[in-house]
Amino acid sequence: DAKTTQPTSMDCAEGRAANLPCNHSTISGNEYVYWYRQIHSQGPQYIIHGLKNNETNEMASLIITEDRKSSTLILPHATLRDTAVYYCIAGKLTFGTGTRLTIIP
Amino acid sequence: SAVISQKPSRDICQRGTSLTIQCQVDSQVTMMFWYRQQPGQSLTLIATANQGSEATYESGFVIDKFPISRPNLTFSTLTVSNMSPEDSSIYLCSGDAGLVKDTQYFGPGTRLTVL
Repeated sequence: DAKTTQPTSMDCAEGRAANLPCNHSTISGNEYVYWYRQIHSQGPQYIIHGLKNNETNEMASLIITEDRKSSTLILPHATLRDTAVYYCIAGKLTFGTGTRLTIIP
Repeated sequence: SAVISQKPSRDICQRGTSLTIQCQVDSQVTMMFWYRQQPGQSLTLIATANQGSEATYESGFVIDKFPISRPNLTFSTLTVSNMSPEDSSIYLCSGDAGLVKDTQYFGPGTRLTVL
């Protein structure tokens, strides 16, 4: 299972796009990239997943580089309710420390 | 999407006692899982709850301490046995989302404090 590296914390202004990077340089060809988030005092929430192609749903967009060694989760118009810890996972569902995203009013 | 509920939402227990946490899914799911989240830390998988057979435990977790039941495709229980203060954590259950392997829906968690 691939190891992921994420920044410990990030800030983003409300209404702007939040771009959360993730490195997964050891990912293998059949391993998916998953993003979850955990809002304070709640269970994790599935956001999006992808294999090779970029993906978009009602919550976010996932941009995966051509070599699949890194990806970026994009929240297009961040709101205060997007303040949470964001987990990038490659392969088997194993939660690391994630990125604590704070949306600034 | 599946909605997962847990009971109790929180509890305060005495050392040496046991607590059973219930997890209910509003639709049938193939896989159910139990996680622990210690204060200020990330989630750690305890075990996979298998319907009709014994749970599959991760390294460091044993059946005697965390017995699990899964009588059907929508319900599971986790018991924390012979509790000590080190068992104070949030316990979360999840079920597979049926999208692709390793996409899961999570319950809100059970906050356990052991005195």
